[in-house]
Amino acid sequence: DGGITQSPKYLFRKEGQNVTLSCEQNLNHDAMYWYRQDPGQGLRLIYYSQIVNDFQKGDIAEGYSVSREKKESFPLTVTSAQKNPTAFYLCASRSKGNTGELFFGEGSRLTVL
Amino acid sequence: QQQVKQSPQSLIVQKGGISIINCAYENTAFDYFPWYQQFPGKGPALLIAIRPDVSEKKEGRFTISFNKSAKQFSLHIMDSQPGDSATYFCAANPGNTGKLIFGQGTTLQVKP
Repeated sequence: DGGITQSPKYLFRKEGQNVTLSCEQNLNHDAMYWYRQDPGQGLRLIYYSQIVNDFQKGDIAEGYSVSREKKESFPLTVTSAQKNPTAFYLCASRSKGNTGELFFGEGSRLTVL
Repeated sequence: QQQVKQSPQSLIVQKGGISIINCAYENTAFDYFPWYQQFPGKGPALLIAIRPDVSEKKEGRFTISFNKSAKQFSLHIMDSQPGDSATYFCAANPGNTGKLIFGQGTTLQVKP
């Protein structure tokens, strides 16, 4: 089945460690996005990429990094510079066109111990 | 202003009742207004969407009402069911980047 796969589903990290969240899609979508979800704050955009080898910062990019070497993959690294990394992270993708519809993965919950 | 304000934050409705969630925006360049439904531990999924040239869109028990002059839109869930219990997000699209701006979310509980 086509879709977006995020892994791991749960991740625990010690302070000062970098962690990488995986996002893979087989929908043949050009654009991919990373959102962070915190209770009562909706979804906030971290990074997005509209084509391979290109990406842009979203509203809360500080402390995060991404790469887009393949159309199917858009990994997110949460670095030690991110002061409050405990959150639910959602990856999404969108096909070309102006519908704006995003397809989301099932998310990765990161907890910093 | 790139904000979408959503209310209420939480909502409790009896089975069979009508659930209403409201959103307001300021940027007149927004051209697409989707609603997403999210169950606990899952990613959001598109529920219904509308463009600003239409005042209302209905899909089954779900209806979007859109008031362009007031810059407001709302989701109505008719005959609410316990299975509708979820978090609902409104969003607005500023052009063709897919950079949806999301509201803060509304947690809906439908009591049997």
